[in-house]
Formats: sequence, C-alpha cells, structure tokens
Amino acid sequence: AQSVTQPDIHITVSEGASLELRCNYSYGATPYLFWYVQSPGQGLQLLLKYFSGDTLVQGIKGFEAEFKRSQSSFNLRKPSVHWSDAAEYFCAVGASTGNQFYFGTGTSLTVIP
Amino acid sequence: DTAVSQTPKYLVTQMGNDKSIKCEQNLGHDTMYWYKQDSKKFLKIMFSYNNKELIINETVPNRFSPKSPDKAHLNLHINSLELGDSAVYFCASSQLHRAGYTFGSGTRLTVV
Repeated sequence: AQSVTQPDIHITVSEGASLELRCNYSYGATPYLFWYVQSPGQGLQLLLKYFSGDTLVQGIKGFEAEFKRSQSSFNLRKPSVHWSDAAEYFCAVGASTGNQFYFGTGTSLTVIP
Repeated sequence: DTAVSQTPKYLVTQMGNDKSIKCEQNLGHDTMYWYKQDSKKFLKIMFSYNNKELIINETVPNRFSPKSPDKAHLNLHINSLELGDSAVYFCASSQLHRAGYTFGSGTRLTVV
C-alpha cells in the first residue's frame, strides 16, 4: 500500500530565508509524486509533479522538489520565502497503475517578517 | 473561468437534515473525485467517477451518495447529517493520472 509521511507538522521561517519541506513515501515502484499548496479558505493548488525523467523538478511560485529514490523522498524547496508563501503544503503519491492519490497530513508554514 | 466549481461554499445545517453539494468542471476531464478534509487538515478520498462510472468507493457511511449525471458533474448527497460530518469537502478532477488533480475551492459543511 502507498503512504506518505510529512514529518513536520508546522514550520516557521523568516521572510527571505530558504525553505525545505520534507516528504517521504512508501511505494514499491516509481510513484507519481506531487506537492500541493492550500491557502486559508482555498482549495489545493498543484505546485509541481514528478513521474519520470529529471529528478529535480521545477514548479510554480519558485518552488522545486527533488526525487530521491534511495531515500524515498520528495522534498520541496524554495531559496527565498515570501510572506505570501504562508499556507498548508501537502505531498501526495499515486501509483502509475492506480487512479487515486494518497495525501500526507500536511505541513503548515508560517513566515515571519 | 472557474475550472472546478463547487456550490455552496458554506453550508450550515441541523442534524438529521439531507443536503447536497454540487460540483462542475469545465476542463473536459474524464475523472472526478470527492475528498473530505477533517479539522486536522487530513484529506481522505471518498468517491471517484470516470466518465460517469463509479471507480472508487471508499469506506464511507452509505448516507453519502455520489451522483454523476455526466462527466462534467459530480454531486454529493448526504442523508441524515451527523455532527461528525462537519468538514470541508473538496471536489477535484483529472484527465491523466500523472498530471495530478485540479481542485475546487471546497464546501465547508457545519452540522449543528
């Protein structure tokens, strides 16, 4: 069975600082991996996705993520955080042969001035 | 041009009532989903339809019944609402599994 773990429930960073949000997954083959962002009172917006090819993927809003098969990880990074990045971030995994995704429990990001 | 739209955005109702949430997507996607997000932000899939056919039916009370009149619409009807049904319900759609989902903005259901 597939599963996703986001070890950090809540992270606080200063504006302008770098950010890394952790995501570990459990799946036998190469999964489809996603990061979504949820702003307060909003739906989830897709930041980036990985399903094959280059293990470093670029997304919207200056985010990137790196797929590391050996570590079963797909961590999200941003070099310089903006106050508007404060939100809930979800990692999701799906099987290439499946038809649904499994979401992590989310990481809440607070950005302080 | 809203891609996935849900109505209503907020729904407050009393225990025992029956209510529906509507979802429409104008993306031409074949697959639509209902997710429930609880107070701890945990997202759990409830149902999925592909071209009006039910393909995922997770363990949810049978008080919840999805209906897909066509592939652009997926509605959720809930009978005999209970306090524990209070949550945010998200509709989503996708075309290719690997492309990910497009989510609606959610319906916050409060049962009092």
